[in-house]
Amino acid sequence: RKEVEQDPGPFNVPEGATVAFNCTYSNSASQSFFWYRQDCRKEPKLLMSVYSSGNEDGRFTAQLNRASQYISLLIRDSKLSDSATYLCVVNIGNDYKLSFGAGTTVTVRA
Amino acid sequence: GAVVSQHPSWVICKSGTSVKIECRSLDFQATTMFWYRQFPKQSLMLMATSNEGSKATYEQGVEKDKFLINHASLTLSTLTVTSAHPEDSSFYICSAQLLPAGTEAFFGQGTRLTVV
Repeated sequence: RKEVEQDPGPFNVPEGATVAFNCTYSNSASQSFFWYRQDCRKEPKLLMSVYSSGNEDGRFTAQLNRASQYISLLIRDSKLSDSATYLCVVNIGNDYKLSFGAGTTVTVRA
Repeated sequence: GAVVSQHPSWVICKSGTSVKIECRSLDFQATTMFWYRQFPKQSLMLMATSNEGSKATYEQGVEKDKFLINHASLTLSTLTVTSAHPEDSSFYICSAQLLPAGTEAFFGQGTRLTVV
């Protein structure tokens, strides 16, 4: 079983729509959780960290469910510029190692 | 945020030659850096952990004699792909993190290697 699993999508949504997707992780000892955004042929960039209480950053909302071992990302009022691959990233333990999901592709159409 | 610079951004080389990729932390010191490889439509796969002043730690299945890692200073790690073959063509990315462990990772721009 992979450490981090994501629905690869693609999620094709019109501008202004809301899109949400989850990521599951296998190690219950996981401590830190992140959503990164990766554009085609570019390096990943941090979108937001995910906190236990859930957090919101503008149109983006992240949730963590430790009991079911998943995190979610919701994008409201989608923009064309939101088209990208969203990577779920988990830090396990006290070292620096990160485990990456394969990414969920979102395409926002006009 | 912190900046990690990776060079070159792309390289084309002939089979059998070696290619060196540099990863620099520009505004912070990184005792640990990470090297990843990413094939199209796949996840970033950790290849090795680069430790300043000591040997790198390689993930299972990664040949340490083929992917040489040197981390001679607190701001520079290098990955050398030796005797490259077409199957080594991939996107290679380095990253570094600030303390404490588990905080945001900063990535280099990535190097697209094509071996012909």
